[in-house]
Amino acid sequence: AQKVTQAQTEISVVEKEDVTLDCVYETRDTTYYLFWYKQPPSGELVFLIRRNSFDEQNEISGRYSWNFQKSTSSFNFTITASQVVDSAVYFCALSDLNTNAGKSTFGDGTTLTVKP
Amino acid sequence: ETGVTQTPRHLVMGMTNKKSLKCEQHLGHNAMYWYKQSAKKPLELMFVYNFKEQTENNSVPSRFSPECPNSSHLFLHLHTLQPEDSALYLCASSQDPDRGGTQYFGPGTRLTVL
Repeated sequence: AQKVTQAQTEISVVEKEDVTLDCVYETRDTTYYLFWYKQPPSGELVFLIRRNSFDEQNEISGRYSWNFQKSTSSFNFTITASQVVDSAVYFCALSDLNTNAGKSTFGDGTTLTVKP
Repeated sequence: ETGVTQTPRHLVMGMTNKKSLKCEQHLGHNAMYWYKQSAKKPLELMFVYNFKEQTENNSVPSRFSPECPNSSHLFLHLHTLQPEDSALYLCASSQDPDRGGTQYFGPGTRLTVL
C-alpha cells in the first residue's frame, strides 16, 4: 500500500529560525516519485520539488533544501532563515508507478506559521 | 492564460441547485484530476482522466458528475448537494501520470452548500 505520513500537524516558529518538515512514506515499489507542495492561504497548491527514487542526492534551492533518505523512507524539507511569507500548509506526496499507476498519495499536510 | 485555471473561484448554492465547476489547463498535459479538500481534512482524490478517459472514480457519490470533453477541459457537475459537500475543490493536470508526472494545481473553487 502507498502511504505518506506527515507527523507534524502544526509548527510555529519565529522569523529567521530554521524549520524542518518531516515526511515518511511507504511503498512496495522500487520506482516512485516524491513531491513537496506549498499551499498558501489563497488555496492553490504550488509545486516545489519532484524527486525520483533513484536519485538520493539532496537538493538546495535558495532557502529550501530537501533530504531524501531511502534507508529511512524519509523525504524531509528544511526552510532556512524562515520568513513570514513561508507561512502555509505544506504537503508531501508519493507517486509509485507499478502498484498505483502513478496515482499520487498526499500526506495530511503540515501547517507552518512563521511569526514576525 | 497560463497554467491551470478554475471558475468560479467562489460558489454558494442551495441543496436543490445544479451548478458546474470548470477547469482548464494550458500546459498541454494529458491527465486531469479533481480533488476535494474539506476543512481540517486531507486532500481527497475524486476523479482522474487520462486522455479524456476516466481512469479513477474514488467512490464519489453520484451527485458529483465529471465531464472531460478534451484533454484541456474538465468539468464537475453538481446537483442536490449536501452541506457536508462544502469544501475547496481543486483541479490539477499532469503529463504522463503513469511515469510520475508532476501535478499542477489550479486556484480552486470554494464551494458552500446551504
